[in-house]
Amino acid sequence: DAGVIQSPRHEVTEMGQEVTLRCKPISGHDYLFWYRQTMMRGLELLIYFNNNVPIDDSGMPEDRFSAKMPNASFSTLKIQPSEPRDSAVYFCASSLSPPGTPNTEAFFGQGTRLTVV
Amino acid sequence: LAKTTQPISMDSYEGQEVNITCSHNNIATNDYITWYQQFPSQGPRFIIQGYKTKVTNEVASLFIPADRKSSTLSLPRVSLSDTAVYYCLGTRTSGTYKYIFGTGTRLKVLA
Repeated sequence: DAGVIQSPRHEVTEMGQEVTLRCKPISGHDYLFWYRQTMMRGLELLIYFNNNVPIDDSGMPEDRFSAKMPNASFSTLKIQPSEPRDSAVYFCASSLSPPGTPNTEAFFGQGTRLTVV
Repeated sequence: LAKTTQPISMDSYEGQEVNITCSHNNIATNDYITWYQQFPSQGPRFIIQGYKTKVTNEVASLFIPADRKSSTLSLPRVSLSDTAVYYCLGTRTSGTYKYIFGTGTRLKVLA
């Protein structure tokens, strides 16, 4: 398996534009996580899915952010409209089992570096 | 919330053993303790996980005392390539399980 695949790797957009980040989890993994990383706030969990269903979206910063998982092999994180403070690295991760259970690890993608100017 | 506390940064020299301690005073009975490593411009990567006593793999050892309120990640004979941020994870919050990353420990290995 190629691991968790994210696209694009880099995105530069103007304030007010819509941005869509994409993620393909590892095949067979039932859990998918979206994280955001900044110098100021570190790694923040935005939302996670189990079997394509959003389980916890309490980390989504505001209504401008939305995430979907239409099938087991694809998820998107959308920001509309984007703002400069959304600039960060966005990571997608997937795991076979719930966090905290034995012999479970989350596999992270390479991330998407988003810059909103 | 399973809050973790660890040193912000550490420096070490090549060939030394490095121990990074994490405090997790309110860890739940069923929680496992998990450590991740992150290199610059990469996503975090799983290192090791344990419940109690000692766990060892090809990368590191994890020591967990009986009260489980802390854990120590031990990296034997570090090299320059071990320079990274090391995260101790809490995994539980009320009602749902999550991977909760703290501030991490920035380890710098010097030649």
